[in-house]
Amino acid sequence: DTAVSQTPKYLVTQMGNDKSIKCEQNLGHDTMYWYKQDSKKFLKIMFSYNNKELIINETVPNRFSPKSPDKAHLNLHINSLELGDSAVYFCASSHRGGGSLYYGYTFGSGTRLTVV
Amino acid sequence: GQNIDQPTEMTATEGAIVQINCTYQTSGFNGLFWYQQHAGEAPTFLSYNVLDGLEEKGRFSSFLSRSKGYSYLLLKELQMKDSASYLCAVDNYGQNFVFGPGTRLSVLP
Repeated sequence: DTAVSQTPKYLVTQMGNDKSIKCEQNLGHDTMYWYKQDSKKFLKIMFSYNNKELIINETVPNRFSPKSPDKAHLNLHINSLELGDSAVYFCASSHRGGGSLYYGYTFGSGTRLTVV
Repeated sequence: GQNIDQPTEMTATEGAIVQINCTYQTSGFNGLFWYQQHAGEAPTFLSYNVLDGLEEKGRFSSFLSRSKGYSYLLLKELQMKDSASYLCAVDNYGQNFVFGPGTRLSVLP
C-alpha cells in the first residue's frame, strides 16, 4: 500500500522520559512534515524537511529534534517529556518538486502521546 | 501574519445542504485546501482551489475568491457519515500549510 505510516499509534509515558516517533512514506514525495494537534484540534506546523534538508523549524522547544536519514523517513525525538507535550502528532508528506498534479498533503494516521 | 478563520461548530440535518466558510490572510498563497477529519483519524483530502470559482466533486463543492480571501465548502445531501471536522488550509507558497481551527459538523437524523 502506498501511504504515510507512523509508529507507534499510541504512546503513554512518564514525565522526564525520552521517546521517538517514526514516520515513513513510500509515495516518492520530496517533503515531509511534523504537525502537532492539540486538544482544541488545531494543527500547527513543527518541522518540515525537503530532500532531507530542514526548511521549517517553528518555535518549538529544543527538546524536540527531528531526524531525516533519507527523504522517505522523518523521525521525531522528544527529550525530557512534559505534561504539555500530550497531543496527537501527525506526520505528513507532499511533493513540491513540480510536475504532476498537486494534491497537498498525505497524512499519517497520527500518534497520540499521553504524558503522565 | 497568518490568520485563518472558520466557525467552530455547525449542526445540520440529514439530507440538507450546509456551507462552511473560511476566511484567510496569509503571507503567501499557492492554493486553498479542504480536509475532512473524523474523530481519532488523520485528515483526508477533499478539495483544492487555486483559481477563483467553484470546483464540484460529487456531493462536495468548494469555492474560492482570492480577492476577498474567502472560501467555502458546500456539502449537499448530508449523510450521517459526514459528521466530522472540516479543516481549511492555505498553501503558504514554498513554505507549508497553514491550517484553520477546523469546523466540527454534526449531522442529525
